Amino acid sequence: TQLLEQSPQFLSIQEGENLTVYCNSSSVFSSLQWYRQEPGEGPVLLVTVVTGGEVKKLKRLTFQFGDARKDSSLHITAAQPGDTGLYLCAGARLNRDDKIIFGKGTRLHILP
Amino acid sequence: NAGVTQTPKFQVLKTGQSMTLQCAQDMNHNSMYWYRQDPGMGLRLIYYSASEGTTDKGEVPNGYNVSRLNKREFSLRLESAAPSQTSVYFCASSPPPQKPNYNEQFFGPGTRLTVL
Repeated sequence: TQLLEQSPQFLSIQEGENLTVYCNSSSVFSSLQWYRQEPGEGPVLLVTVVTGGEVKKLKRLTFQFGDARKDSSLHITAAQPGDTGLYLCAGARLNRDDKIIFGKGTRLHILP
Repeated sequence: NAGVTQTPKFQVLKTGQSMTLQCAQDMNHNSMYWYRQDPGMGLRLIYYSASEGTTDKGEVPNGYNVSRLNKREFSLRLESAAPSQTSVYFCASSPPPQKPNYNEQFFGPGTRLTVL
């Protein structure tokens, strides 16, 4: 059973378009993180959200944590080729030990 | 600061050979982790170490052993490599957990291992 489901798995869109990717679970998380991974490299942390309903912005990227802390979304405005990569969500489950779990990722390709 | 470093970057083994993947971090983090990443499977935790001297199994520990040599270094050993262990291996570290538990992960560049 995949505890963190990401959708879509793949997304290919034109430069300038907007997009949203989702991270869903039936479990409650004390915090949720988004990472971006480029080919041949390790994942790099983009943001951590910790409060239900929290919204964080990182330039053209907007991250939201669901009110019940079971889901999160990443919205990209006016996508650029530099946004291409694998986006991973990861979470620390409430009252669990110090491991986090990762979703399988959304592979995003922005066409120039 | 170099962050998290891993060696080697690439390795090809024959079935049955052994090898050790090295990882070091210079961020004074307590926790360190070994993951494998396979197409369609995401990142799966092999072993982790919450502090120097302690190690625990993750989701996919079979066929692997680890050593937390000191606070900086955490190695992963394959005693008898199998083709199913062909993967990309990432080491990560995280700072002491805060309240709530963040466990933000800092990753190394990975080791690409092929077992023939």
